[in-house]
Amino acid sequence: KQEVTQIPAALSVPEGENLVLNCSFTDSAIYNLQWFRQDPGKGLTSLLLIQSSQREQTSGRLNASLDKSSGRSTLYIAASQPGDSATYLCAVRGLYSGAGSYQLTFGKGTKLSVIP
Amino acid sequence: EAGVAQSPRYKIIEKRQSVAFWCNPISGHATLYWYQQILGQGPKLLIQFQNNGVVDDSQLPKDRFSAERLKGVDSTLKIQPAKLEDSAVYLCASSPLTDTQYFGPGTRLTVL
Repeated sequence: KQEVTQIPAALSVPEGENLVLNCSFTDSAIYNLQWFRQDPGKGLTSLLLIQSSQREQTSGRLNASLDKSSGRSTLYIAASQPGDSATYLCAVRGLYSGAGSYQLTFGKGTKLSVIP
Repeated sequence: EAGVAQSPRYKIIEKRQSVAFWCNPISGHATLYWYQQILGQGPKLLIQFQNNGVVDDSQLPKDRFSAERLKGVDSTLKIQPAKLEDSAVYLCASSPLTDTQYFGPGTRLTVL
């Protein structure tokens, strides 16, 4: 059974700092990995999706890397801003989740606070 | 483009009562998902529809939970009877046959 762990559970940084969020998963047989952002009282927003054949994806100040063999991914946020404050969730789609299934296994998330 | 709509946003019920949640996906999205997110946890997939059909309901507690997607558009998730441990946020998402899922704001259920 796939398990996804995110460390740390919470992180507080001053504005402008670069930071790294970590995600690990137990089963390397994955289709892809996604990073989501969740704001209080709102749904999830997909930030980056990395296919299993890729090593990294970038979008603006965000960069996500994937090391499938070691079961790890990192989300790097450059020059953090107060608007980046949210919970960041990592999710993997398993290779054997069933025909047509897009079932994602989520971690518990890292709650990020960027202090002005 | 309108996003995924869900209602109600909040619901408080007594245990053993019934409750239903409604979801309207983004127009044209073939795939619809219901997730349960317990406080402090990541979302857990309950059921995935593709058009009218169920693709994955392996984690749906079928003795008390049911879901339907009529005409391949709107969907309803029902809990009957509710238990205390069903207190959670119920998220609906839709996608256009890709891995990118678009989430609604969720329904926060409190079971007393």
